[in-house]
Amino acid sequence: SAVISQKPSRDICQRGTSLTIQCQVDSQVTMMFWYRQQPGQSLTLIATANQGSEATYESGFVIDKFPISRPNLTFSTLTVSNMSPEDSSIYLCSVGGTSSSYEQYFGPGTRLTVT
Amino acid sequence: LAKTTQPISMDSYEGQEVNITCSHNNIATNDYITWYQQFPSQGPRFIIQGYKTKVTNEVASLFIPADRKSSTLSLPRVSLSDTAVYYCLVGDIGTDKLIFGTGTRLQVFP
Repeated sequence: SAVISQKPSRDICQRGTSLTIQCQVDSQVTMMFWYRQQPGQSLTLIATANQGSEATYESGFVIDKFPISRPNLTFSTLTVSNMSPEDSSIYLCSVGGTSSSYEQYFGPGTRLTVT
Repeated sequence: LAKTTQPISMDSYEGQEVNITCSHNNIATNDYITWYQQFPSQGPRFIIQGYKTKVTNEVASLFIPADRKSSTLSLPRVSLSDTAVYYCLVGDIGTDKLIFGTGTRLQVFP
């Protein structure tokens, strides 16, 4: 299994600003995923980030709003740009397990509140 | 996009067996069914994965019927520490995407 850390663990931001969330893994992984989880709701995939290529975004999520970097095999960032209160959520990164992408290991999440 | 649905909540008592079902009638042909457990303020944790029939590990069993349109996570002899939200994760044949279920909040009472 992989150990994943995220920074910050939580933040309160003002409308119109941007926040960059960092995800660090203790081993090299090919696939990294970014999810959003609104309070009391299930997880929604934002994008898949593979090292050396552009991130693949899911329907409803665009690169201008959620730019992602993947500079190496152990690190990724997700930026939430031009935030509004609707962006208040928990953002989680995960990595695929060694056997398949279905077995994923998740970070603890970043709780974002936009005022 | 077909939804992957689960009961919203379940209650149980310590020592009982709990069965949580996930309905996924749009599952992709070749995809596995995976279940996760999530505690408050934590990311989901992998529990078990299967493709068909029955899979068992040290914490749970997973039952999958032949048509694979549903799956049942079975937790034997639950304890208070099993109080959590449980999610299934399947591939959707229409979109070729992995979809988390709606989640089941399990409350275990002493």
